[in-house]
Amino acid sequence: SQTIHQWPATLVQPVGSPLSLECTVEGTSNPNLYWYRQAAGRGLQLLFYSVGIGQISSEVPQNLSASRPQDRQFILSSKKLLLSDSGFYLCAWSAGAGELFFGEGSRLTVL
Amino acid sequence: SQQGEEDPQALSIQEGENATMNCSYKTSINNLQWYRQNSGRGLVHLILIRSNEREKHSGRLRVTLDTSKKSSSLLITASRAADTASYFCATNNDMRFGAGTRLTVKP
Repeated sequence: SQTIHQWPATLVQPVGSPLSLECTVEGTSNPNLYWYRQAAGRGLQLLFYSVGIGQISSEVPQNLSASRPQDRQFILSSKKLLLSDSGFYLCAWSAGAGELFFGEGSRLTVL
Repeated sequence: SQQGEEDPQALSIQEGENATMNCSYKTSINNLQWYRQNSGRGLVHLILIRSNEREKHSGRLRVTLDTSKKSSSLLITASRAADTASYFCATNNDMRFGAGTRLTVKP
């Protein structure tokens, strides 16, 4: 069966520090991969999606970036965090145009 | 741009009552999906309805789709306190979500 792992679950980072969130999927090949951000009590904002290795589409210009170094690995990064980067980050995968399967999320607090 | 937009933003009902929430979208779709999110957790897929379907059931969930109005509704019957969560919709061609409907079911 397919599973998705996302880590770390929680992190507190100072402004200006780097960020790396990692997401891996098991049990499937060539998934579509997504990064979302959710501000407290708000909806999900699509940040990046990828349909294949090295193929990244960015939805919102910002100081975040994403990479897909392997078929089932999706990484969200920042060189210098801003206060506004605080939020709940969710990774998800899908097989084509089907349903999304979400990880448990990473809660980032930037101080 | 966002594809799925849910309303109402918040809904509070008593246990045993039915809960109805709505979703509107802008362009043609192949399918529409409903998700549930418990506080602080990832979203969980509830049900998918295809563009050629008008109604679909899954347990206490009933989803309708009106492609002429570009809208869908999710009905939860005989609600329980455990149904308290946020509910979101998304369409296949645009995996974007709206702000969701926050459902509170009071025991």
